[in-house]
Amino acid sequence: NAGVTQTPKFQVLKTGQSMTLQCAQDMNHNSMYWYRQDPGMGLRLIYYSASEGTTDKGEVPNGYNVSRLNKREFSLRLESAAPSQTSVYFCASSEVPGTIYEQYFGPGTRLTVT
Amino acid sequence: TQLLEQSPQFLSIQEGENLTVYCNSSSVFSSLQWYRQEPGEGPVLLVTVVTGGEVKKLKRLTFQFGDARKDSSLHITAAQPGDTGLYLCAGGYRGHGNTGKLIFGQGTTLQVKP
Repeated sequence: NAGVTQTPKFQVLKTGQSMTLQCAQDMNHNSMYWYRQDPGMGLRLIYYSASEGTTDKGEVPNGYNVSRLNKREFSLRLESAAPSQTSVYFCASSEVPGTIYEQYFGPGTRLTVT
Repeated sequence: TQLLEQSPQFLSIQEGENLTVYCNSSSVFSSLQWYRQEPGEGPVLLVTVVTGGEVKKLKRLTFQFGDARKDSSLHITAAQPGDTGLYLCAGGYRGHGNTGKLIFGQGTTLQVKP
């Protein structure tokens, strides 16, 4: 039982390049989330998918797109990377509906945009 | 806008000391989670509290949910170097419906020196 997996673990991009961050969970969770974590800013929600087939914007969606490929997989795409997108990206999943909103996180992708 | 304020932001103590981290809000939460994040890793769920006044213990860690479900505290007794890390509180808010979205505090960075 791997939980939440993310690929790649590290990535360096040049400004303007595109890439897709992959996330998969094997806990049969309905909901999945993408966050970015920057020093002093905490975890900020980029996009989320409350259930298979739906996606919604979070707090900081500009410059990103997402795809909920199936119940297991939720990808994050940067179409034209900018230095401001240098960050650590975390994917998480949660068993929803319910009132106990526990989220389980992947190990993160460390992205540098030069 | 729902906010969770954590204090202190940074804490550096000697091994064996006790400490308390606070998580406060003006909003009522249906549940509150505490996570610990080690450098280079994703946040790991430590505990979930759901009932006002609830106290949970995890070895040397004691978690309390405020009576009004607006605040929480994490107390560590006899801290050890292995407790070093970033501690995050996160609240589940009923107003978010079945999205499972969490509101995260900014985090408390704890350093325990041998």
